[in-house]
Amino acid sequence: QKEVEQNSGPLSVPEGAIASLNCTYSDRVSQSFFWYRQYSGKSPELIMSIYSNGDKEDGRFTAQLNKASQYVSLLIRDSQPSDSATYLCAVRSGGFKTIFGAGTRLFVKA
Amino acid sequence: SAVISQKPSRDICQRGTSLTIQCQVDSQVTMMFWYRQQPGQSLTLIATANQGSEATYESGFVIDKFPISRPNLTFSTLTVSNMSPEDSSIYLCSAPTGQNNEQFFGPGTRLTVL
Repeated sequence: QKEVEQNSGPLSVPEGAIASLNCTYSDRVSQSFFWYRQYSGKSPELIMSIYSNGDKEDGRFTAQLNKASQYVSLLIRDSQPSDSATYLCAVRSGGFKTIFGAGTRLFVKA
Repeated sequence: SAVISQKPSRDICQRGTSLTIQCQVDSQVTMMFWYRQQPGQSLTLIATANQGSEATYESGFVIDKFPISRPNLTFSTLTVSNMSPEDSSIYLCSAPTGQNNEQFFGPGTRLTVL
């Protein structure tokens, strides 16, 4: 059974701080990794994808991948109250089927 | 990425009835996925809709309860049959429309069964 594990939270950070969201996965042959943001009552929105070890930066977001440790993370710099949402980690091993984690709720306090 | 739309956006239905949800993608895609998300829960994959062949259902989901059509490469429907209050959920359509086949989601259908 392929699994993607996330801490459900809530993770609470003050405005302007760095929020760190973590995810582990069980399938060693996983090739593609994604972070989605989901606001309450809305559908998931893709915010980052990463395919090779290391860091990938996009604005205030940085995705980090360590395949040896089967670990992927998302850093949000200068967190804003508008970043308050549930963040879903997703992993694809091959083909098109993507496995989603249960999500981490982030709360940014103004 | 392509635009994915769903109809209806929400509905309130009586138990024992059926509802068909439509999903339209503005480009051709090989696969379309149907998910269910119950309040406060994560995504649960119901089935993969394949064009020209039967849908592939995940464990716990059966064709009699969730029949799926995929008449072409841009459209799919999911029917929730003989509904009960336990079927109240958000139903999401998704497709790999990104440059690297990243999955994108439609806006969802919020279903309430009374």
